Amino acid sequence: SQTIHQWPATLVQPVGSPLSLECTVEGTSNPNLYWYRQAAGRGLQLLFYSVGIGQISSEVPQNLSASRPQDRQFILSSKKLLLSDSGFYLCAWTRRSTDTQYFGPGTRLTVL
Amino acid sequence: GQQLNQSPQSMFIQEGEDVSMNCTSSSIFNTWLWYKQDPGEGPVLLIALYKAGELTSNGRLTAQFGITRKDSFLNISASIPSDVGIYFCAGGYFGNEKLTFGTGTRLTIIP
Repeated sequence: SQTIHQWPATLVQPVGSPLSLECTVEGTSNPNLYWYRQAAGRGLQLLFYSVGIGQISSEVPQNLSASRPQDRQFILSSKKLLLSDSGFYLCAWTRRSTDTQYFGPGTRLTVL
Repeated sequence: GQQLNQSPQSMFIQEGEDVSMNCTSSSIFNTWLWYKQDPGEGPVLLIALYKAGELTSNGRLTAQFGITRKDSFLNISASIPSDVGIYFCAGGYFGNEKLTFGTGTRLTIIP
């Protein structure tokens, strides 16, 4: 069976500090991978998605970047965090040529 | 980005009541998905629908893929306390790697 992991689970960072969130998927190969952000009590905002190693599509221009160094690893980064980067970050995966996305447990980021 | 119209935005019900919510779109979809999110956790897939008119159940949950392919419905029968949470619909289209999500329905059970 497939499993998706995210870490850390929670993170408190000062404004201006760097960020690295990691997502890994087990039990599948060549997945599509996604990063979402969710503000408190709000819906899901797609940030980035990837259909393969080194292939990143950006949905919203902002202070964040994504990388996919390995087939089942997806990383969300920032060089300098802003207060507005606070939120709940979710990683998701799908099998190729299917729509059904499966979400990870999320990372709660608070920027102070 | 585009979001689906999901209604109602919130529901306050008593335990044991049935629940109905729906999602509508101006565009057609090939896939409709329903997720539930508990506080502080990632959304969990409840039901996936892949064919117009399809009616699928998962325990007390039943979802339907609208004939027009522009809407979907989720019903929960005999609600229990663990049904509390936010329910999201999502639509997918062949050849598009992205899903379009609804704005969510927050379900609260009144004691």
